[in-house]
Amino acid sequence: GENVEQHPSTLSVQEGDSAVIKCTYSDSASNYFPWYKQELGKRPQLIIDIRSNVGEKKDQRIAVTLNKTAKHFSLHITETQPEDSAVYFCAASLSGGYNKLIFGAGTRLAVHP
Amino acid sequence: DGGITQSPKYLFRKEGQNVTLSCEQNLNHDAMYWYRQDPGQGLRLIYYSQIVNDFQKGDIAEGYSVSREKKESFPLTVTSAQKNPTAFYLCASSNRGYYNEQFFGPGTRLTVL
Repeated sequence: GENVEQHPSTLSVQEGDSAVIKCTYSDSASNYFPWYKQELGKRPQLIIDIRSNVGEKKDQRIAVTLNKTAKHFSLHITETQPEDSAVYFCAASLSGGYNKLIFGAGTRLAVHP
Repeated sequence: DGGITQSPKYLFRKEGQNVTLSCEQNLNHDAMYWYRQDPGQGLRLIYYSQIVNDFQKGDIAEGYSVSREKKESFPLTVTSAQKNPTAFYLCASSNRGYYNEQFFGPGTRLTVL
């Protein structure tokens, strides 16, 4: 079946450093790629998304890049802060999918002061 | 954080019992989803519904059942046929169609004793 691989599973950085999380998807028809942030004990919340007709999207300190040829996309967080500490999930839409998503396994990001 | 609610927050069940998890939304969304979250495995789709009185199996539907009698409500029943039901269950809703953000509820943690 279709899947999304996400790396790394854990990431530890110093405050102010950049963090990069990478995902690879298998469904060549995927056209929507959201990223969710889940803080401890809370619900996942959308932080940024990108459509297949766009190569890069930025929102303040976060950015997402998409390489459709290679079927991978990445989340970039610059100037990390302790409040960025959370689990981040990437997802990809499924073809014929009525907004069905398949999620990566998650990356636990720890930002140390 | 309002808009989509789940109850109860914690649920304990004895083996062999069926339990029903509640999910309600007031966002006027047509589509609703149930996910299961296990450590290190991301979010896996159990069932989804695009419209009232219609629902489809996701990737791990065995041992679960749903109904969609009202637009606002999408309850999930975990049956005794589910072999390993202890998990965190998340409900989500969205507008129909592509590129639509899925909004998540706060989740229900089910523990089988």
